[in-house]
Amino acid sequence: RKEVEQDPGPFNVPEGATVAFNCTYSNSASQSFFWYRQDCRKEPKLLMSVYSSGNEDGRFTAQLNRASQYISLLIRDSKLSDSATYLCVVNMGSAGNTPLVFGKGTRLSVIA
Amino acid sequence: NAGVTQTPKFQVLKTGQSMTLQCAQDMNHNSMYWYRQDPGMGLRLIYYSASEGTTDKGEVPNGYNVSRLNKREFSLRLESAAPSQTSVYFCASSEWGPGAANTGELFFGEGSRLTVL
Repeated sequence: RKEVEQDPGPFNVPEGATVAFNCTYSNSASQSFFWYRQDCRKEPKLLMSVYSSGNEDGRFTAQLNRASQYISLLIRDSKLSDSATYLCVVNMGSAGNTPLVFGKGTRLSVIA
Repeated sequence: NAGVTQTPKFQVLKTGQSMTLQCAQDMNHNSMYWYRQDPGMGLRLIYYSASEGTTDKGEVPNGYNVSRLNKREFSLRLESAAPSQTSVYFCASSEWGPGAANTGELFFGEGSRLTVL
């Protein structure tokens, strides 16, 4: 099992739709979790951290399920500007100074 | 607000040539990283430097060397470039060390697109 796995998509959704991405991770000792956004031919940028209790930032909601070792990102009322690749990132933390591990990303296209 | 600056942005090399990618950050971050990104492979860590004076191998270090010149600068060298090293290279920095639980936000440079013929 790969360390961090994501559905590559692409997800093609109309404006205003709700879309959800899932990500699974293999190391149960992983300590922290994040979603990054990467626009085409640009660098990745932090979108939001994922907290144990779940957290929301405007139209974006992140959830963590430690028992099942998955993370989710929900985007409500999709905008054209949400079109990007979303990267799931896991900090393995206690696993010997292992840096952040990136998933391969899920591509989202929001269509007018 | 420079953040993380990488040079060059584009480079074409012939097989066997050498080159150095330069990276500098102005955020006084302790840790710096070099990643490569290939289609279908995602971001893969080449080397990282948890603090000034230390470097460690990542997932794909073969064919590369690094130097943490000082706290600001972290360079990546290809001694003898191969076509398999054609990729987009990203430098990144973070305030905390890679093993710290609160390490999450990496600040990336704009990337360096390298083609090896």
